[in-house]
Amino acid sequence: QVHLVQSGADVKKPGSSVRVSCKVSGGPLDDFSFNWVRPAPGQGLEWLGRFLPILGVAYYGPKFQGRVTITGDKATNTVYMDLNSLTSEDTAVYYCAKAERAGYYLDIWGQGTLITVSS
Amino acid sequence: DVQLTQSPSSLSASIGDRVTITCQASLHIKDSLNWYQMKPGTAPELLISDVSKLKPGLPPRFSGGGYGTHFTLTITSLQAEDIATYYCQHYHSLPLTFGGGTKLEIK
Repeated sequence: QVHLVQSGADVKKPGSSVRVSCKVSGGPLDDFSFNWVRPAPGQGLEWLGRFLPILGVAYYGPKFQGRVTITGDKATNTVYMDLNSLTSEDTAVYYCAKAERAGYYLDIWGQGTLITVSS
Repeated sequence: DVQLTQSPSSLSASIGDRVTITCQASLHIKDSLNWYQMKPGTAPELLISDVSKLKPGLPPRFSGGGYGTHFTLTITSLQAEDIATYYCQHYHSLPLTFGGGTKLEIK
């Protein structure tokens, strides 16, 4: 059974960057794809992007293009989400979620990481 | 990009009621739609994939239907543990998008 464990909560200053990690157990990264999602107040859930480890490629939501980078480390079986130029509107819980390599239903989720952006 | 509009945005129902949530897509997305349940303080959980495939282990009171632009999630007999916010999500093309959510409460 695949299990995702995310890094802990963090507080960041406006204009800075954050890295959230997602440690994967129960299978190699290459067998899956990984998505990052966050709730947006009054707007439902927002998709930040998708990472396909076997190809080493990532796809990003248009709202976050240029500000988000998703990568993976096969040696440690960990996926990373970097978000820069933070503003208070980026304050949210960030979730990593696994899908099958060629699939798009997010069947396993991490526990979430609260990122607070405050001066 | 495909926009998903859920209705209602909130819903109050009684235990045992039949509840239906609707998800309308801005483009024809065939059967490329999933549903998630999100309880307060927890991560979303996949309920239904590919319009109507219930995730193994989940109770059969949850069902999904639809095709093209109109989709539904139905709970045949509402239970207290079903209190949550429900989201649809398409995968017709990137970017993936989610609906705005339907918050379900007990009357």
